[in-house]
Amino acid sequence: GENVEQHPSTLSVQEGDSAVIKCTYSDSASNYFPWYKQELGKRPQLIIDIRSNVGEKKDQRIAVTLNKTAKHFSLHITETQPEDSAVYFCAAIDSGGYQKVTFGTGTKLQVIP
Amino acid sequence: ETGVTQTPRHLVMGMTNKKSLKCEQHLGHNAMYWYKQSAKKPLELMFVYNFKEQTENNSVPSRFSPECPNSSHLFLHLHTLQPEDSALYLCASSQEQLYNEQFFGPGTRLTVL
Repeated sequence: GENVEQHPSTLSVQEGDSAVIKCTYSDSASNYFPWYKQELGKRPQLIIDIRSNVGEKKDQRIAVTLNKTAKHFSLHITETQPEDSAVYFCAAIDSGGYQKVTFGTGTKLQVIP
Repeated sequence: ETGVTQTPRHLVMGMTNKKSLKCEQHLGHNAMYWYKQSAKKPLELMFVYNFKEQTENNSVPSRFSPECPNSSHLFLHLHTLQPEDSALYLCASSQEQLYNEQFFGPGTRLTVL
């Protein structure tokens, strides 16, 4: 089955600095890679996603890169703000025949003002 | 309330009880999901429904029984649970099964005594 590893598990950055979270996956059939943000006591919410036919996607301060050959994808947050503090989850999804969803273990990001 | 709603928000039950969790989505989506979120573990996909038909059961014990009477409602029936089943149970929905953003409900915090 799919295995998703997410690193680091915790990350502290100064406000204004960049943050990078990395995930690796094992199943080459995975074709959809969303990133979710979960603030304390709240529900997960999608912040950005990328499909396997794209190598990079950007939305304002957030970007995601995908390397299918190496089977890894990364979340990049620039100019971090205190409100970026949350737990971030990556996921690798096979929306084809096997319909599998595998989440990473999460990264707790703390942005220090 | 808009989006995805879940009731109850908190539930405490004994191992011999029978209870049900309810999820309702007001987004016109055709796919719905149950997830289990335990501390320090990845989100675990439990069940997937697409147009009311169950398409995935990720080796979930039979003490968890899903029901999807229509595309807007999803239930999780619980009976003879174990203390290790204590977790946050999240419902989600999406427009197309697994290949688009999933919208999560607020979750039901379940404690099994």
